[in-house]
Formats: sequence, C-alpha cells, structure tokens
Amino acid sequence: ETGVTQTPRHLVMGMTNKKSLKCEQHLGHNAMYWYKQSAKKPLELMFVYSLEERVENNSVPSRFSPECPNSSHLFLHLHTLQPEDSALYLCASSQDLPAGGSGANVLTFGAGSRLTVL
Amino acid sequence: GQNIDQPTEMTATEGAIVQINCTYQTSGFNGLFWYQQHAGEAPTFLSYNVLDGLEEKGRFSSFLSRSKGYSYLLLKELQMKDSASYLCAVRDHGNKLVFGAGTILRVKS
Repeated sequence: ETGVTQTPRHLVMGMTNKKSLKCEQHLGHNAMYWYKQSAKKPLELMFVYSLEERVENNSVPSRFSPECPNSSHLFLHLHTLQPEDSALYLCASSQDLPAGGSGANVLTFGAGSRLTVL
Repeated sequence: GQNIDQPTEMTATEGAIVQINCTYQTSGFNGLFWYQQHAGEAPTFLSYNVLDGLEEKGRFSSFLSRSKGYSYLLLKELQMKDSASYLCAVRDHGNKLVFGAGTILRVKS
C-alpha cells in the first residue's frame, strides 16, 4: 500500500442511514485532513488533525463526525445527511512543520470517496 | 475574505503551450501551490512557489508575483494525458490552504 488510501470509493446512502468513510496513510505523516469537493467549487476544508488532536473544525454540521484513533487512520462518520451533502470527500495527509518552521508542507491526497445522498 | 480566481475551462492543442492564470486575495501569504487532478483521481502536487519568479520542472513551470497576487502555471509540449483539472491553492498566515475552484484543461489532437 502506498500513499493515502480511502474506502469506500463510492457510497450511496439514504438520509436516515449511518455510514463511515475511512482513510489510511502510509507516509509517516503527523497531520490528516478531510476536504469536501463539490462540482465547480473550491475544495472546502472540513477537519484537521495534527498529532491526533483536532485542530480545525470549519463550522461543519454535526451530522459529520470525524475520528482520528492514531496518526495513520482517519474516519468520517456520517449520520442523517442531506442531499446537498452529496460530493467527493477527500482525505489528505502532511508532515506538519514545527512552530516557526518554513517549507512547503505539501498535502498528499487520497483518491476520494464519492458520496451520493438520496 | 479569501478569494482565489482561476479560469473555469481552457482548451489547447497537443504539442502547444498553455498558461493557466491564478489571482489571489488571502489573509497573508505563506506559499502558493499547483495541483493536478485527473477525473476520478487524487489531486497530485505539481509545484510550490514562495518567492517571486519562475520555478521550472520539466515541461511544467510556475510563476509567482506576490505584489500582484498573481501566479501562472505554464505547460509546454502539451500531451493528451495533460487533460485534467489544475488547482491553485494559497497558504495563508494561519497556515490554512485556500483552494481555487480549479481549471479544467482539455487537450485536443
């Protein structure tokens, strides 16, 4: 396994279902991210975990619940979603820089989970 | 507010050169990134600029002017496999990565 792996690649769910998206990174990075990608719109940052602590929560509705049990795994738990939540959900990882550090801190993305809410 | 602007779509011919522009207004600046995303695949890192000027990497080059809030990605000797979406992103002073909506490039033979 290389890079960042997301499962499932495709998910169709009803508004009353509960499902989870899974992300695994094999790069030894210390930060993981969830992004939402909708057609013709910029990537929207949802959550950031650095050293397994949530450091960013961009006013995301509570029907999305992240979980980061360790530095290699990230989950997004989904509950009572709306049709407008249909999108591509991208996971990414990076090596966070120490405070005051400089450098690219490049994100490595997974291929995404395509979610359709009926 | 944060704003990244890039053209929605571009079309170019195989073998030609194409320039994809990006203008930005963000809360500070800590570097600009270009990513390539083929349909159904992960965005992949292409280039990073933090100082003014041109960075060249094979067929791809990226330019930055911080005073103008402007960057471009230059693709030379276009190939069919270059058909993809190109995402411009700026890291602001809070270290947040702000993305544009992406430019879909279609390369025709």
